Amino acid sequence: DAKTTQPPSMDCAEGRAANLPCNHSTISGNEYVYWYRQIHSQGPQYIIHGLKNNETNEMASLIITEDRKSSTLILPHATLRDTAVYYCIEANSNSGYALNFGKGTSLLVTP
Amino acid sequence: DVKVTQSSRYLVKRTGEKVFLECVQDMDHENMFWYRQDPGLGLRLIYFSYDVKMKEKGDIPEGYSVSREKKERFSLILESASTNQTSMYLCASSFRLSTDTQYFGPGTRLTVL
Repeated sequence: DAKTTQPPSMDCAEGRAANLPCNHSTISGNEYVYWYRQIHSQGPQYIIHGLKNNETNEMASLIITEDRKSSTLILPHATLRDTAVYYCIEANSNSGYALNFGKGTSLLVTP
Repeated sequence: DVKVTQSSRYLVKRTGEKVFLECVQDMDHENMFWYRQDPGLGLRLIYFSYDVKMKEKGDIPEGYSVSREKKERFSLILESASTNQTSMYLCASSFRLSTDTQYFGPGTRLTVL
């Protein structure tokens, strides 16, 4: 079973920031937090990952709390094409064989 | 950009047929994976390979086999397809075992009648 907890669904208006939360209260010191998303009928797509520090790339920002028990993925200006299921995953080199995707958050971006 | 391609997007086969699903990656990745995805069950690992001719069982290997004769190609084989193997099959690759970023193909939706 997935070790992370995410809300099953969220809505966001187009052009607004989408903030997707994830709880990972049992994360260990060497485990990264990865975010993937899966648009309908496509394979999962890597978004971003982090260990302790906040991270930003061209797709999103990742905010990790100081105690590392939770994180938030931020899509700064959501578009309709961001409608997808978003997965938060704990992983380290020892778990590199498989990613436990869990059920994720279904994000619906509305016009 | 990493590109992972799968031989078919949609496939329909009959019970008992032998089925081959092909996956090719163009980034010289060491590791390749086969998952299946079913509603309510998420992604489940079938097999993975960390080198040519090497393979390891995942969580649900029963009814499947794999082949990795070349680094860029990883094949999933259903020796005798059954209706409970109707699913979305996803291939992924990653550079090193210490790097967990996996790049996925578009998936093959297999229906076994």
